[in-house]
Amino acid sequence: ETGVTQTPRHLVMGMTNKKSLKCEQHLGHNAMYWYKQSAKKPLELMFVYNFKEQTENNSVPSRFSPECPNSSHLFLHLHTLQPEDSALYLCASSQEWGRYEQYFGPGTRLTVT
Amino acid sequence: DQQVKQNSPSLSVQEGRISILNCDYTNSMFDYFLWYKKYPAEGPTFLISISSIKDKNEDGRFTVFLNKSAKHLSLHIVPSQPGDSAVYFCAARGGSQGNLIFGKGTKLSVKP
Repeated sequence: ETGVTQTPRHLVMGMTNKKSLKCEQHLGHNAMYWYKQSAKKPLELMFVYNFKEQTENNSVPSRFSPECPNSSHLFLHLHTLQPEDSALYLCASSQEWGRYEQYFGPGTRLTVT
Repeated sequence: DQQVKQNSPSLSVQEGRISILNCDYTNSMFDYFLWYKKYPAEGPTFLISISSIKDKNEDGRFTVFLNKSAKHLSLHIVPSQPGDSAVYFCAARGGSQGNLIFGKGTKLSVKP
């Protein structure tokens, strides 16, 4: 595997479910990011991890819970989501926090029913 | 309020002609500007960047122009190819925090 991978690619969940999104980067980067892309909206930064430490939480509701066990893996735990949380969730990494060249995964298309 | 704006949701260009994608921003503290390209079912990929201290950066068929006084940047693709058909995102780096702020994207269609 090369680059940034994300699983699953598609996810449908009910509002009472608990699920997790997984991201893995094979680039030796130290910073990882979660973005949300809703229809007709810009990519919104959700969380930033730098050397496994969370450095940014962009006023994200607590029903989204990130986890970064090491510099290569990033999770987004989801629980009691709302239909308006349906979106494309993109993971990205960069050599270090603040480097503008970020490498994105293909995203997880999430539908909340 | 959006700090990075791409006012054209779509653009259609004939193969071989020039494609010009535009982007406006509001924050004069942005220090880097970037263009990302996204194909369906793939994540955005970095295309080209420009520092706020420059007004032009060129990489093959792609050139980015920055007009700081107008808070405007543009991406020129010459000549355009059908493989360039994708969504193009303009992004700006927000100073010392280093986070990227994206526009909504412009969908470019290059017709053979």
